[in-house]
Amino acid sequence: AQTVTQSQPEMSVQEAETVTLSCTYDTSENNYYLFWYKQPPSRQMILVIRQEAYKQQNATENRFSVNFQKAAKSFSLKISDSQLGDTAMYFCAFMNQGGKLIFGQGTELSVKP
Amino acid sequence: ETGVTQTPRHLVMGMTNKKSLKCEQHLGHNAMYWYKQSAKKPLELMFVYSLEERVENNSVPSRFSPECPNSSHLFLHLHTLQPEDSALYLCASSQRRIVTDTQYFGPGTRLTVL
Repeated sequence: AQTVTQSQPEMSVQEAETVTLSCTYDTSENNYYLFWYKQPPSRQMILVIRQEAYKQQNATENRFSVNFQKAAKSFSLKISDSQLGDTAMYFCAFMNQGGKLIFGQGTELSVKP
Repeated sequence: ETGVTQTPRHLVMGMTNKKSLKCEQHLGHNAMYWYKQSAKKPLELMFVYSLEERVENNSVPSRFSPECPNSSHLFLHLHTLQPEDSALYLCASSQRRIVTDTQYFGPGTRLTVL
């Protein structure tokens, strides 16, 4: 079975500091996509970043970057210069070759002033 | 119009009521999805429509009935629900239902069943 595991239910970080959220997944497929979505209190699920498995280069989007370790099946999200607006639930997700999106249980991130 | 919209944002219903959730996407996508998000659980995929045809039903009880009249609209008809059906229901869309196409989500409908 394909699974996504986020081992940190809650995290907190001081404003302007850096935080890393962990994610591991399990699959036997070779071609897939990985995503981080953010869900703030407004509940809107927003795409933060995505990574194609066949690309070795780690994806970056402004203050957000990933550390993709394919052999270890690890896909962590680093948020630099954390801002109060980054407070949200963060979901790691895996899309298999059939186009099915499988989510982890989420990490609740609090950015403190 | 923002990408994916959902109405209503909040819904309270009794177990004998019939109601419908509506989703509309303005992205020109051809695939649409219903997810259920319960507290402390990962998102659960309920239904998938591709080109207005239902292509996946993940063992969802028949008290949930989806409808996709065209590629821009998706409904979830609800009847005789149970209190355990209370959850956030999220709609999403993607260009196609394939691995390369990102899913974009609506803001969700918070459903409470009394």
